[in-house]
Amino acid sequence: NAGVTQTPKFRVLKTGQSMTLLCAQDMNHEYMYWYRQDPGMGLRLIHYSVGEGTTAKGEVPDGYNVSRLKKQNFLLGLESAAPSQTSVYFCASSSSGGEEPQHFGDGTRLSIL
Amino acid sequence: RKEVEQDPGPFNVPEGATVAFNCTYSNSASQSFFWYRQDCRKEPKLLMSVYSSGNEDGRFTAQLNRASQYISLLIRDSKLSDSATYLCVVSLRYPGTYKYIFGTGTRLKVLA
Repeated sequence: NAGVTQTPKFRVLKTGQSMTLLCAQDMNHEYMYWYRQDPGMGLRLIHYSVGEGTTAKGEVPDGYNVSRLKKQNFLLGLESAAPSQTSVYFCASSSSGGEEPQHFGDGTRLSIL
Repeated sequence: RKEVEQDPGPFNVPEGATVAFNCTYSNSASQSFFWYRQDCRKEPKLLMSVYSSGNEDGRFTAQLNRASQYISLLIRDSKLSDSATYLCVVSLRYPGTYKYIFGTGTRLKVLA
């Protein structure tokens, strides 16, 4: 019973490098989300998707891009990593847009040196 | 004013105690409400949804007060394993979608 799976779990990058975080869900959920969580702050929405082929900006989208080519996958890309993007990244999915709770992956810890 | 506000705590309580947290929200159009728990360096996990009539799940009771715009979580007979951060989440309808607004969490420490 996988639920929401994130890869990788940990990564260290140098400033300017690029990478892609993968989120996969097996619950047939329409909605998927990427958040970042920093010490002393709540979860902040980066981007989200309301269905396959759709994406939209959240609260803190700058420096990130996303794609949802398949319903079960939601990719988060950092084109040119910056130290300010050091954070814990969580992916979540939900069956509906707001009436049902979100289910979270176990996170990706990303450090940018 | 933050959209969702929680007392950061920590709440330090002895085992067996009853503890309650409140969470206030600013937008009266908020649709749905949830409590999550988050252990240190782990993902948020759904504890319970909060229904208008209030609901209970074992030792946990959640209440919603729309008039005063707050939700509450009551934990009875606290266990050491209840030590965690409790996140209040509110969903809000926007054109074409909903958004989930997270509080910054209330830390609970249950002491032996």
